Amino acid sequence: GQQLNQSPQSMFIQEGEDVSMNCTSSSIFNTWLWYKQDPGEGPVLLIALYKAGELTSNGRLTAQFGITRKDSFLNISASIPSDVGIYFCAGQLQGAQKLVFGQGTRLTINP
Amino acid sequence: GAGVSQSPSNKVTEKGKDVELRCDPISGHTALYWYRQSLGQGLEFLIYFQGNSAPDKSGLPSDRFSAERTGGSVSTLTIQRTQQEDSAVYLCASSYDRASTDTQYFGPGTRLTVL
Repeated sequence: GQQLNQSPQSMFIQEGEDVSMNCTSSSIFNTWLWYKQDPGEGPVLLIALYKAGELTSNGRLTAQFGITRKDSFLNISASIPSDVGIYFCAGQLQGAQKLVFGQGTRLTINP
Repeated sequence: GAGVSQSPSNKVTEKGKDVELRCDPISGHTALYWYRQSLGQGLEFLIYFQGNSAPDKSGLPSDRFSAERTGGSVSTLTIQRTQQEDSAVYLCASSYDRASTDTQYFGPGTRLTVL
């Protein structure tokens, strides 16, 4: 089945640093999504991307839908302690309802 | 509450027993999804309900897994004869399903431990 390769698996950064993570796939996706999951909670949608090349921001978060429709990245600028958590990319094939998830990037911030 | 709710939050069971996990979607959402999240992994699609249409069961890992959605609202995921590899967090999500781009909102999950 389809798989998303997400990297890095984990990041340890200092507060205030910028963060970048990405996802790649061998399949073409119609939609790319980025979720954040806190301990004991379900994932919460951060950014949704619907067009190839689209660049979308949500506060300190910026994400892009790759031109080839096979990749996406998420950047977080000026990280703060509440950014700690696990970030997941997810893709949606055209006409499909189910989401295909990456393995997640665990972000740890040292104050 | 306004969000997706799931119960129980934690379930510990013995190998071979059956378990039922419940999901209450957001009111008005016609689409409901079940995903499984194994330790340190991403979410794996299990099943999808859309209104009165036949569910998409393509993600169910074996015939021990089944799900129902009664009255277009509450859903129950049943795992029969549980195995240790069934241990995971089971997440439910719902959406309006007016378009495939409708946001899926996730519940907090049920953590299942099979001893």
